[in-house]
Amino acid sequence: DTGVSQNPRHKITKRGQNVTFRCDPISEHNRLYWYRQTLGQGPEFLTYFQNEAQLEKSRLLSDRFSAERPKGSFSTLEIQRTEQGDSAMYLCASSLSVGTEQYFGPGTRLTVT
Amino acid sequence: AQSVTQPDIHITVSEGASLELRCNYSYGATPYLFWYVQSPGQGLQLLLKYFSGDTLVQGIKGFEAEFKRSQSSFNLRKPSVHWSDAAEYFCAVGLNTDKLIFGTGTRLQVFP
Repeated sequence: DTGVSQNPRHKITKRGQNVTFRCDPISEHNRLYWYRQTLGQGPEFLTYFQNEAQLEKSRLLSDRFSAERPKGSFSTLEIQRTEQGDSAMYLCASSLSVGTEQYFGPGTRLTVT
Repeated sequence: AQSVTQPDIHITVSEGASLELRCNYSYGATPYLFWYVQSPGQGLQLLLKYFSGDTLVQGIKGFEAEFKRSQSSFNLRKPSVHWSDAAEYFCAVGLNTDKLIFGTGTRLQVFP
């Protein structure tokens, strides 16, 4: 049973560039979540999907952020015109269905220089 | 506003000693409660969860937690700590299982 996978694991980019991260959930998990974790803090909720439908977005998700889950399987998180404040670990999680626990991937660490 | 507090930023224990990590929450209703562990540079691993029923829940790696409604607490315990338990521990709560709110974490250091 493979867990949640995320790619890339590390990304260094220059300010103003666009970046895209990918998350592959556990097979048959229909809910998928994105969180952001900055140094010394706990993860903060960004958004989540039920299959391909994006059900909720946090106010943390500015207009420069967009997430998709086009076929209800993998998901992508894109950040446009990156800023230094976007430097963080981006975590993806999945759950089997409503009312079940979330399982997290290893995260993608973004550094904006 | 809903919030989660982990009062201890850093805890140091000797290997073999008992451990208790504190978690307090502020919510209008009884939330779903979780403890996760994170090793350096890694994602989060679920240790245990409380949804309803028995207020003492058992988890993986010998951990347990007790939900106390009157104290709005969900403290994590382990009777005998191993060196491999050194990591960061996060308490998380949610009105449902979707949008979780995490505490700021407690870093556990274990001395031989």
